[in-house]
Amino acid sequence: GENVEQHPSTLSVQEGDSAVIKCTYSDSASNYFPWYKQELGKRPQLIIDIRSNVGEKKDQRIAVTLNKTAKHFSLHITETQPEDSAVYFCAALNPGGGNKLTFGTGTQLKVEL
Amino acid sequence: EAGVAQSPRYKIIEKRQSVAFWCNPISGHATLYWYQQILGQGPKLLIQFQNNGVVDDSQLPKDRFSAERLKGVDSTLKIQPAKLEDSAVYLCASSLGAGGRNEQFFGPGTRLTVL
Repeated sequence: GENVEQHPSTLSVQEGDSAVIKCTYSDSASNYFPWYKQELGKRPQLIIDIRSNVGEKKDQRIAVTLNKTAKHFSLHITETQPEDSAVYFCAALNPGGGNKLTFGTGTQLKVEL
Repeated sequence: EAGVAQSPRYKIIEKRQSVAFWCNPISGHATLYWYQQILGQGPKLLIQFQNNGVVDDSQLPKDRFSAERLKGVDSTLKIQPAKLEDSAVYLCASSLGAGGRNEQFFGPGTRLTVL
């Protein structure tokens, strides 16, 4: 089955700096890669996603890049703000076997003032 | 629109006891998912329903876990008997359909503590 690895597990940045979180996946058949933000004690919420036919997608301060050849994708947050502090999860969806979504282990992002 | 509802929000039980969780997906969403999220880890899919049929339950410990979605709307997840390692947040999610074109919306989760 699909295996998703995520790095780093924790990330601390100064307000205004950029943050980058990287994920790799194992199954080349995976074709959809969402990113979720989970604040403490709250539900995961989708913040951005990318499909395998696209190399990059941007939404205001958030961008995601995908390298299908290397099987890795990254989340980029620019001009970080304290409210960006949360746990971020990447995921990969494999269309085989019922379109199962496999999550990474999460990155705890802390934006310091 | 109303989001995914789950109850209870918190549950504390002793090992070997039974527990059940309830989920009401977003109206009109055909696909329903149950995930287990252990502290410090990402959600792990336990079971996926498409309407009232099971699409994937390959990671559901079937000797103790069961789930149903009889009328294709609400769902219940049961653990019987519970073990210490079942302590986790159980998240329910729903989507319009299956596949990458359908965003999964998560409920608030049920935090289970097994003593």
